[in-house]
Amino acid sequence: AQSVTQLDSQVPVFEEAPVELRCNYSSSVSVYLFWYVQYPNQGLQLLLKYLSGSTLVESINGFEAEFNKSQTSFHLRKPSVHISDTAEYFCAVSEGNNDMRFGAGTRLTVKP
Amino acid sequence: DTGVSQNPRHKITKRGQNVTFRCDPISEHNRLYWYRQTLGQGPEFLTYFQNEAQLEKSRLLSDRFSAERPKGSFSTLEIQRTEQGDSAMYLCASSTNNSPLHFGNGTRLTVT
Repeated sequence: AQSVTQLDSQVPVFEEAPVELRCNYSSSVSVYLFWYVQYPNQGLQLLLKYLSGSTLVESINGFEAEFNKSQTSFHLRKPSVHISDTAEYFCAVSEGNNDMRFGAGTRLTVKP
Repeated sequence: DTGVSQNPRHKITKRGQNVTFRCDPISEHNRLYWYRQTLGQGPEFLTYFQNEAQLEKSRLLSDRFSAERPKGSFSTLEIQRTEQGDSAMYLCASSTNNSPLHFGNGTRLTVT
């Protein structure tokens, strides 16, 4: 079965600094990859997804992630973060079946 | 956009009592999922419905847990004889075939 490892449980950064949240997965078949964001006291929201095609995917709020099959990674990046990006970020993998597996999450804290 | 709706938002119960949660998915979504999320962890898959059929159940779903989706619309998750270890956020999500999951805000269960 597929699994996800998020290497950093907490990432503190200053506003306007770049950030990378790391995600590695394991699977024996082709996968779909996702990043979800959870703001305080809210449900999970889809941030971006990789299903097929271009390995670089972008969100509307400046985040991007690159699918690297050889390194089995799907790291999330943003060149300049805002205070409002403070949230919990979850990487998830699906083998196209009905069981989406999530990582343990990375808490991004953006400081002024 | 009505989104995925979960009720109640919070439930406090005494050990040994039964509890039931409700999830109303996005209306055109045929797939419905239940996940459990504990503090510091990512969501863990519990069970999945396609229309009214429960097609998958995780080993996490002990015999005290039962889920139904009687008419292929809303779903209920019942926990019998609750234990303190059942305290968690219970998340519902819905989707169409091969689309990302849309999550509700969850029901937070506290067993005292």
